Amino acid sequence: DSGVTQTPKHLITATGQRVTLRCSPRSGDLSVYWYQQSLDQGLQFLIQYYNGEERAKGNILERFSAQQFPDLHSELNLSSLELGDSALYFCASSVVPGVETEAFFGQGTRLTVV
Amino acid sequence: GENVEQHPSTLSVQEGDSAVIKCTYSDSASNYFPWYKQELGKGPQLIIDIRSNVGEKKDQRIAVTLNKTAKHFSLHITETQPEDSAVYFCALPDKAAGNKLTFGGGTRVLVKP
Repeated sequence: DSGVTQTPKHLITATGQRVTLRCSPRSGDLSVYWYQQSLDQGLQFLIQYYNGEERAKGNILERFSAQQFPDLHSELNLSSLELGDSALYFCASSVVPGVETEAFFGQGTRLTVV
Repeated sequence: GENVEQHPSTLSVQEGDSAVIKCTYSDSASNYFPWYKQELGKGPQLIIDIRSNVGEKKDQRIAVTLNKTAKHFSLHITETQPEDSAVYFCALPDKAAGNKLTFGGGTRVLVKP
């Protein structure tokens, strides 16, 4: 158990809908990262938050957004869903972003858009 | 951004044999080189990492070697066992972007009993 909790584990929704994925980082970790894993694109970085502030952004679509709350949990919002958004979404946490150290991954949320 | 190439993409070995996976990178100021293992239905988990002040690090049957001059690092698994079957990823943190990880394409390792 990595200590990172993601909910829900599975999500099936229709095209055009909006969903919210939730992540609770490890106790003491201030930095949260979101990654998307698809068969053709591998593991891709989406966005990072540190202590409530956006710290780094990857190739995240404009239809996607995220935030980190005062209790440090994070939510990834995906809207106007398309079939191609079907993927595994992982959250990872680390202590601070400026230190090269281990990132701990959650079990992921499998999103299926039908 | 950083480009990480990982080879091979699939690797089938007989139980007890060794497996080697190699990653090359283009341009990194990173001093930290992690390897992750992802089992079916789970998130990636760090199995070993190396920092650039050493050339090799071992942890039981797993070892990582680093050649910063040639810009590559490799994962070595000896005496493979069926539980080693998984997808392995190398990764590089981007210090300029909060240490977000750029992953290699992954290697699916199958250990045949």
